[in-house]
Amino acid sequence: GAGVSQSPSNKVTEKGKDVELRCDPISGHTALYWYRQSLGQGLEFLIYFQGNSAPDKSGLPSDRFSAERTGGSVSTLTIQRTQQEDSAVYLCASSREDRGSETQYFGPGTRLLVL
Amino acid sequence: RKEVEQDPGPFNVPEGATVAFNCTYSNSASQSFFWYRQDCRKEPKLLMSVYSSGNEDGRFTAQLNRASQYISLLIRDSKLSDSATYLCVPRTSGTYKYIFGTGTRLKVLA
Repeated sequence: GAGVSQSPSNKVTEKGKDVELRCDPISGHTALYWYRQSLGQGLEFLIYFQGNSAPDKSGLPSDRFSAERTGGSVSTLTIQRTQQEDSAVYLCASSREDRGSETQYFGPGTRLLVL
Repeated sequence: RKEVEQDPGPFNVPEGATVAFNCTYSNSASQSFFWYRQDCRKEPKLLMSVYSSGNEDGRFTAQLNRASQYISLLIRDSKLSDSATYLCVPRTSGTYKYIFGTGTRLKVLA
């Protein structure tokens, strides 16, 4: 079946603008994660959603970052008043979270460049 | 101490060589472990899961030492296509949070 998809694949914006990044997880996957990866760095956890539980937002770097997941499926990550340090690849991943099925499947990412 | 520590490399090895990477983790509550590979400018992809003392899949072997809190990845008969960054990912028991290491870069040379 289809994998995790993300849009846009690339986004160039000006400092101070808001951006929305979208993630379509694999159908049936209850868990959804957002990560950020700066050039040459590891993955930085941002937020995860699991079913109807309250999301774990502990990784969001500031209150300019927010995310929602509608209907337990599609998720949107919003960055308000973007700053140059927000430039990175934003990766979304989903998993089934069944016993023995903890594998995260990643989308191709959105490359964000803030000028 | 970082939650996950990996030697960033790069490890430059000739084709056919055997190479091993280590990863140390600080949280003793980690129960599940994963090795992901990430190619340049691509997303991470699962290479191997480790739930007990180790796992083997073809040329790849992972070994877990819970007492010393490290996990290793051994690659035998290296191929050019093995060139990538290898990410160590422990998962804490009771949470859904995965902690990604910064990765070890491998270059297999012809």
